[in-house]
Formats: sequence, structure tokens, C-alpha cells
Amino acid sequence: DVKVTQSSRYLVKRTGEKVFLECVQDMDHENMFWYRQDPGLGLRLIYFSYDVKMKEKGDIPEGYSVSREKKERFSLILESASTNQTSMYLCASSLGLKEQYFGPGTRLTVT
Amino acid sequence: AQSVTQLGSHVSVSEGALVLLRCNYSSSVPPYLFWYVQYPNQGLQLLLKYTSAATLVKGINGFEAEFKKSETSFHLTKPSAHMSDAAEYFCAVSGERSGNNRKLIWGLGTSLAVNP
Repeated sequence: DVKVTQSSRYLVKRTGEKVFLECVQDMDHENMFWYRQDPGLGLRLIYFSYDVKMKEKGDIPEGYSVSREKKERFSLILESASTNQTSMYLCASSLGLKEQYFGPGTRLTVT
Repeated sequence: AQSVTQLGSHVSVSEGALVLLRCNYSSSVPPYLFWYVQYPNQGLQLLLKYTSAATLVKGINGFEAEFKKSETSFHLTKPSAHMSDAAEYFCAVSGERSGNNRKLIWGLGTSLAVNP
């Protein structure tokens, strides 16, 4: 079975802090994705990566950056956290055009 | 451009009743279609997928969906609801197959409540 793990289930940070969210997949998938999920807004794509060191902006990249130095790991970085970045963050991976597999999510609260 | 519409953000059924969650899509190419389920405070789990084989697709937990090209629909059904089916359900369609695009286009989700 594909396994996607995220470094934290719950995270509380202060405004202005630099925040790292880590995601690791164990199935050699080429594609990895970061979403945020907010009530009533569904899933919104922040960034995705289709290969090591390759990334593309999603629908809401402002205030975020990403890093993919190894195929299995995709990191989301909040350079200076703000309260409007309080959300559920979901990581996913996929092979080609096939289905995406999701991690359990990180619920981030910025105070 | 692709889009997905899920009709009804909240659906409520009685235990044992038919579950019908609606999904309509638009796509300029033959689509791949997916249904996912999300239980509270968890990630999304794939329920079933359509990838241009049989139009009636069976998934996990007794769910199935039928691809109807003429109606551009991919509605999710289950004959008899169980309390454990209470969750958020998302429909998704594959994005434009160009370049490095591997994105899915997501509906906003339907919250299913099952009443005893």
C-alpha cells in the first residue's frame, strides 16, 4: 500500500514564525502536491512538483514556498506565518495521471 | 477549462436509505474521474475511479458510480446507507493533459449525514 506521511498532525505557531511542513511518500511517485483545506472552499492547490527540484505554482501560492530535494520528500514552507494561514494542510502523491494518495493532514493554527 | 460541480453541499439520509451524491464535470478531453471520502480530521481516501474502461465503477464500502458522457455526470451511489458512511465526499476530474500537468480539479465536497 502507498503510504504518505506528514510530519505533524497538529501544529501551533506564532505570527511571523517560519514554518516547515514535511511530507514523505514511499512509492516512488513522481508527482507530489500540497493543498490547503478550509470549510466551504474545498481543496485548493498551493504547489505541486513533478520531479526532483521541479515545482509549479498552484492556485494559491502566495505566502508559501516548497522544496523537493529528494523524490520521496516534499516540504511546504511558510516564510512568515500569518493568522490567515491557519488551515488544514494536506499532502498527496501520484504516479503519472493516476489517482492521488493523501497523507493524514496537518492542522496548523497560527496565533 | 475543466471544472467539477457537486450538487448539494449537505445531504442527509436515513440509515438504510439510498445514498446519491451528484457530480457533474466539464472536460475538453476524455476524463479520468475520481470519488474520494474524508472522515473527520483525516486525509482523503480513494473510493473509486473511472479511467475509460467500464462505465459502471464499483468501489470500496459498497459504493459505485456511473460515468454518463451524454450527461457529463459521475454520480456516486450506495443502495443502503450505514452510520459509518457519514463523511465528506469529493469528486475530482483529471486536469488538462499538457506538459507537466498532473493536477486534479476538485469539487467543493458534499457532507453526508446519516440519521438513525
